[in-house]
Amino acid sequence: GAGVSQSPRYKVAKRGQDVALRCDPISGHVSLFWYQQALGQGPEFLTYFQNEAQLDKSGLPSDRFFAERPEGSVSTLKIQRTQQEDSAVYLCASSLEEINTEAFFGQGTRLTVV
Amino acid sequence: GDSVTQMEGPVTLSEEAFLTINCTYTATGYPSLFWYVQYPGEGLQLLLKATKADDKGSNKGFEATYRKETTSFHLEKGSVQVSDSAVYFCAYMNTGFQKLVFGTGTRLLVSP
Repeated sequence: GAGVSQSPRYKVAKRGQDVALRCDPISGHVSLFWYQQALGQGPEFLTYFQNEAQLDKSGLPSDRFFAERPEGSVSTLKIQRTQQEDSAVYLCASSLEEINTEAFFGQGTRLTVV
Repeated sequence: GDSVTQMEGPVTLSEEAFLTINCTYTATGYPSLFWYVQYPGEGLQLLLKATKADDKGSNKGFEATYRKETTSFHLEKGSVQVSDSAVYFCAYMNTGFQKLVFGTGTRLLVSP
């Protein structure tokens, strides 16, 4: 596609429910990133993939958060047993090469945990 | 720790006014610096960047100069338009790392 696509755009989950957020990066992009953006804040790094390898997951806030990119293209961010503090916009970005190339962002998935 | 501090908004201006949005950073090493913009209903877009000291990034009439001595990367535009209304994020990326570190964002509102 023309840009980074994320789905769903909006997700309401009951506390304790598991959710899965999908990211379709730009075709051919090697690098893929997940960020979390709380209301009124800037995005905060969660994790980074180079192809299918997860090279940095230092930003994942707890072991309830899990990300995968099994074939080096589409990625899924899974949150288990959601909590209210997980409510945020989850942004996905991709870039063409490993370093020093522009990251293109999707529109994000707004997760609300009730 | 490493961080980015940018001025709080909203910044409210009339069309054709001069814009400055301040951004300072604390980081080890020699980071690359960025300004991203988020228009209503859209994803983050790269506005401009600078990769070394004294570099000036520019795009769409916006400019920012990488000032290592003051650890700053202030965003400026000489004459804003209503269409510039958006949220602007300052960010950096440290050499050898892939993650962007963002400021909290500054909302700009431009009225006709």
